[in-house]
Amino acid sequence: DAGITQSPRHKVTETGTPVTLRCHQTENHRYMYWYRQDPGHGLRLIHYSYGVKDTDKGEVSDGYSVSRSKTEDFLLTLESATSSQTSVYFCATVPGQGNYGYTFGSGTRLTVV
Amino acid sequence: GENVEQHPSTLSVQEGDSAVIKCTYSDSASNYFPWYKQELGKGPQLIIDIRSNVGEKKDQRIAVTLNKTAKHFSLHITETQPEDSAVYFCAASPYRSGGGADGLTFGKGTHLIIQP
Repeated sequence: DAGITQSPRHKVTETGTPVTLRCHQTENHRYMYWYRQDPGHGLRLIHYSYGVKDTDKGEVSDGYSVSRSKTEDFLLTLESATSSQTSVYFCATVPGQGNYGYTFGSGTRLTVV
Repeated sequence: GENVEQHPSTLSVQEGDSAVIKCTYSDSASNYFPWYKQELGKGPQLIIDIRSNVGEKKDQRIAVTLNKTAKHFSLHITETQPEDSAVYFCAASPYRSGGGADGLTFGKGTHLIIQP
């Protein structure tokens, strides 16, 4: 996952505050995804993007928004953090054009207190 | 939407033995089935994948089989080694032509433990 950087790696925030997580890729991949990982639930899709300014909702999108103003950056925003959003968040990218393999970042551990 | 079931949740095998993890999926439109390995504190890493026009694929000690009629696919690891200890996830997705997708649906994971 050398081409994908997630920041921050760890964050503790208070309930009700806005939080933005960043995913930066240097691979020029067209498709980008945000997943959350929770014990007993595996990985669940939050939002994804087909290209600049082209995004759509995943399975667990409530309480989250995303933006993609450049190919290399995909931002995930928690408008008003809740304790249920305590999780590990992973960004992933896919090149497209017949290459289906997802590459995941190293994750951001978010704790909402 | 797609639903992926994965079994078992925990699997303990002796070093050198084989391990098999099984998944079923619900959406007949799914045509891409990857397997990921996740080590502690790291992101999932793709280890093997298979498309619906193929019944089996091998890569050294790892193989995946797919039965489209029954909607199930399996991961087989032979001659297991201590470094195979990790959490393994299966996933499924319908892919559009040209690549990319509406996102993978993952199973809940299998914790594979290799006993020395």
